[in-house]
Amino acid sequence: AQSVTQLGSHVSVSEGALVLLRCNYSSSVPPYLFWYVQYPNQGLQLLLKYTSAATLVKGINGFEAEFKKSETSFHLTKPSAHMSDAAEYFCAVSDDNQGGKLIFGQGTELSVKP
Amino acid sequence: DVKVTQSSRYLVKRTGEKVFLECVQDMDHENMFWYRQDPGLGLRLIYFSYDVKMKEKGDIPEGYSVSREKKERFSLILESASTNQTSMYLCASSPIDRPNTEAFFGQGTRLTVV
Repeated sequence: AQSVTQLGSHVSVSEGALVLLRCNYSSSVPPYLFWYVQYPNQGLQLLLKYTSAATLVKGINGFEAEFKKSETSFHLTKPSAHMSDAAEYFCAVSDDNQGGKLIFGQGTELSVKP
Repeated sequence: DVKVTQSSRYLVKRTGEKVFLECVQDMDHENMFWYRQDPGLGLRLIYFSYDVKMKEKGDIPEGYSVSREKKERFSLILESASTNQTSMYLCASSPIDRPNTEAFFGQGTRLTVV
């Protein structure tokens, strides 16, 4: 069975600092990976997804993620945090071939200090 | 833009009540999903449907049922609400396409059972 692990349920950074949110997956087949963001009292919004076209994936709001097969990782980064980045972030892996059925990690809450 | 609309943002129900959570999508997607979100657990799949009148159990179906009479609408039913069903419920949809097709989420319904 596939699974996703996010290391760190809470991450706190200063405004302008690097954001690094960690995600590791276990999958017996090539994985299809996603990062979603959830702002307070909102649904989930797609940040980016790995499509196998490139290992470095750029998403919205300046975020990017690098797929590393050897490390089974798909960490999310942003060079400079903004206050507006404070939210919960979820890493997910596709669970079948039809699309949309996802297995989620536990989530990482990002706080940004002024 | 894809729109997934959940009928209520907040609901308070009494123990033992039958509860209906409604979800409508406007993009003619074949696939629809109900997830439950709890702190520290991420999102867990309750039920999903790949076609009208079709339903499949997800990871935590106990205490829930679903109905999909029309392609655009997917209802989650709590037959007899219990306090351990207090949670955030998220509906999602996606097209039948490729494994790396993302899911589109509604705003969520925060249900409190008292």
